Amino acid sequence: AQKITQTQPGMFVQEKEAVTLDCTYDTSDPSYGLFWYKQPSSGEMIFLIYQGSYDQQNATEGRYSLNFQKARKSANLVISASQLGDSAMYFCAMRVILTGGFKTIFGAGTRLFVKA
Amino acid sequence: ETGVTQSPTHLIKTRGQQVTLRCSSQSGHNTVSWYQQALGQGPQFIFQYYREEENGRGNFPPRFSGLQFPNYSSELNVNALELDDSALYLCASSLAGKNYGYTFGSGTRLTVV
Repeated sequence: AQKITQTQPGMFVQEKEAVTLDCTYDTSDPSYGLFWYKQPSSGEMIFLIYQGSYDQQNATEGRYSLNFQKARKSANLVISASQLGDSAMYFCAMRVILTGGFKTIFGAGTRLFVKA
Repeated sequence: ETGVTQSPTHLIKTRGQQVTLRCSSQSGHNTVSWYQQALGQGPQFIFQYYREEENGRGNFPPRFSGLQFPNYSSELNVNALELDDSALYLCASSLAGKNYGYTFGSGTRLTVV
């Protein structure tokens, strides 16, 4: 079954420190995409970073990097130099191919709290 | 460029009624997806439209239906509302073939009483 698992319901990090949010996925498809989104309390989902299943290098976008370990089926998000504005829900997601199209599966999310 | 806009922002309906939620895609995007997000959970994929055709569907019953229009705006229709349909409904647009994430709207909060 295709599934995303985020095992950390909540995480605390000190401002200016780095934090890793865990994500494991399950799919038998050779082609898939992995995403991380941020959802502040206002509700909108904000795209952070993308990793394709065939990408050889880990994706980076500013302070965000994705630690992609294909054999372990993990796609952890690393946020460097945490800021107070990083406090939010973070969702890991996987896009998989359906007959005739695609679907994106989201994990249950991790709530990140950044302490001053 | 404009983002994704959804209307209405909040809605209260009675069990058994029907509801239509609307979404305007980001300029230049040709794919729209709808998600249901219950409180404290991750979004659940309802369906996706590309060039006015449904090209992906999650585990939702047929009373959840949709449309995509030539200008790439979209509607989500839910018939015979149930209490469990109470959730945040998110619309997301993207450009097919591009490997970047969706642009999401701020959602419609539906409460069924």
